[in-house]
Amino acid sequence: AQTVTQSQPEMSVQEAETVTLSCTYDTSESDYYLFWYKQPPSRQMILVIRQEAYKQQNATENRFSVNFQKAAKSFSLKISDSQLGDAAMYFCAYRSPGVYGGSQGNLIFGKGTKLSVKP
Amino acid sequence: DAGITQSPRHKVTETGTPVTLRCHQTENHRYMYWYRQDPGHGLRLIHYSYGVKDTDKGEVSDGYSVSRSKTEDFLLTLESATSSQTSVYFCAIRRTGEDGYTFGSGTRLTVV
Repeated sequence: AQTVTQSQPEMSVQEAETVTLSCTYDTSESDYYLFWYKQPPSRQMILVIRQEAYKQQNATENRFSVNFQKAAKSFSLKISDSQLGDAAMYFCAYRSPGVYGGSQGNLIFGKGTKLSVKP
Repeated sequence: DAGITQSPRHKVTETGTPVTLRCHQTENHRYMYWYRQDPGHGLRLIHYSYGVKDTDKGEVSDGYSVSRSKTEDFLLTLESATSSQTSVYFCAIRRTGEDGYTFGSGTRLTVV
């Protein structure tokens, strides 16, 4: 079974600085999807960025980018120019392509990293 | 927001009572999911559905049942609530052609 590990329960960054959140995963599959979700104090789960395993190019969304290392099974999130609104829980998640009715396509989450942003 | 709503948003219930949480979508998507979120555990899958009357168990399904009698509603029932089921419950949908999920706002359930 696939697993997702976030080794940093908490992180802190100064406003306007850059921070990197780590995520590793375990799988025997060659094709899959990876995600970072943000959960602010409002509790809403917000999709930040996604990566398809067959694409070598790292995904980027404005100030958010990933470092996807397929061989190392690593998927870190870099937040540039950190803002106070970036303070949240961040979850790394994995999903295999899945088949109709099968459980393989379900989203598997890490335990999360709580990010604090200092003014 | 995003066509998915959960009700209630908060609930306090007593041990041993049945509880039903509702997830409603307006977009007619086939896949729906129930997760629970607990500190130190992230989100864990309880049950999921891939169509009307088509459901299956997830990682932490003991003590829970689900029903999906129509596309737009996915109900989660705690048959006899226990304190260990105190948690935040999230419903999610997977939009056709998309890889990620869209989540509801969550239900905070407290079992006393």
